[in-house]
Amino acid sequence: KAGVTQTPRYLIKTRGQQVTLSCSPISGHRSVSWYQQTPGQGLQFLFEYFSETQRNKGNFPGRFSGRQFSNSRSEMNVSTLELGDSALYLCASTQDSGANVLTFGAGSRLTVL
Amino acid sequence: QKEVEQNSGPLSVPEGAIASLNCTYSDRGSQSFFWYRQYSGKSPELIMFIYSNGDKEDGRFTAQLNKASQYVSLLIRDSQPSDSATYLCAVIHSGGYQKVTFGTGTKLQVIP
Repeated sequence: KAGVTQTPRYLIKTRGQQVTLSCSPISGHRSVSWYQQTPGQGLQFLFEYFSETQRNKGNFPGRFSGRQFSNSRSEMNVSTLELGDSALYLCASTQDSGANVLTFGAGSRLTVL
Repeated sequence: QKEVEQNSGPLSVPEGAIASLNCTYSDRGSQSFFWYRQYSGKSPELIMFIYSNGDKEDGRFTAQLNKASQYVSLLIRDSQPSDSATYLCAVIHSGGYQKVTFGTGTKLQVIP
């Protein structure tokens, strides 16, 4: 069974640009959540989608947005990039029922110059 | 005040010893508690979860939950060098589907 797939794995952008990250969940998982991980702040929740609907949102500015498609694949977008957006962005999928266990992808490492 | 707090460490223990990792949380209505392990350069992976007060054992790992005191701990028995990693405590709040709050993690070093 394939795991959670995130693309791209690494990317470098400059301030003011925008970026789109993609996440394909484990087959059959309809819940996808996104996290930002930085050395200083740790793992911070961005948002969570289920069946194309955003169910929860963390405390990030509106520059951070996401969506989910009918096949459960999800994308997140960050517009007007700032230096502080440099981070590892992790996507996780969860079974519809059960223990709410997160299975993470390998992450997308974003560097903003 | 952070919602989920962990000592950042590093916590150094000799090989074969018991490692004790602690986590406190502020939301008294929190319902689900998880421990994830993250090796350097890798993504987090689940070790175990616990919902009810008391102990839950899985191999060398034991999770302990005390809702009255709002803390959850992870004990690693017979620690091995391969256990050296950052351990993340995670909490799902009451009423939240997947709004998970993570602690900043405790770095564990097992010394051979």
